[in-house]
Amino acid sequence: AQKITQTQPGMFVQEKEAVTLDCTYDTSDQSYGLFWYKQPSSGEMIFLIYQGSYDEQNATEGRYSLNFQKARKSANLVISASQLGDSAMYFCAMRRPSGGYNKLIFGAGTRLAVHP
Amino acid sequence: DTGVSQDPRHKITKRGQNVTFRCDPISEHNRLYWYRQTLGQGPEFLTYFQNEAQLEKSRLLSDRFSAERPKGSFSTLEIQRTEQGDSAMYLCASSLSSGTGTEAFFGQGTRLTVV
Repeated sequence: AQKITQTQPGMFVQEKEAVTLDCTYDTSDQSYGLFWYKQPSSGEMIFLIYQGSYDEQNATEGRYSLNFQKARKSANLVISASQLGDSAMYFCAMRRPSGGYNKLIFGAGTRLAVHP
Repeated sequence: DTGVSQDPRHKITKRGQNVTFRCDPISEHNRLYWYRQTLGQGPEFLTYFQNEAQLEKSRLLSDRFSAERPKGSFSTLEIQRTEQGDSAMYLCASSLSSGTGTEAFFGQGTRLTVV
């Protein structure tokens, strides 16, 4: 069965520090894509970053980077230089195959609190 | 702003009533999705449209649920004879089908409370 596991229900970080949010996934497919979304209290899911299973380089988007370790089936999100506005729920999600339509499997999420 | 728009943002209804939600996707996106998110969980896939064709329905979508996208633009999700277990956030998303950037863009959701 396909599954996304986020083991950290909540995380705290000091403003301007880096934080890593964990995500492990389970699939027997060779082609898949991994996403991170941010959900502030307003409810909208905001796309942050994408990593394809065949991508050799780790994805980066501004302050966000994805630490992709294929053999360990992990896709951790690293947020550098945290800002107060980063406080939100963060969801890891998987799409199969990587180029397929967005029938996403989401994890349960991690709530991030950034302290001044 | 030309993001995904959902209406209403909040809906309170009595058990047994019918409700309908609307989603307006990003205009050039031909794929549209509905998800449901209950408290403390990640979103769960409900259904997917490519243009006006509904190509996949989750088994979460019981017979009381129906979704349409009549002209391949906006979509509606109707729930008949609502039950308390239907209380959730209903999220709509849209995406391109090819090219760079096929990630899903989500709306702000419709929060349904069944009393």
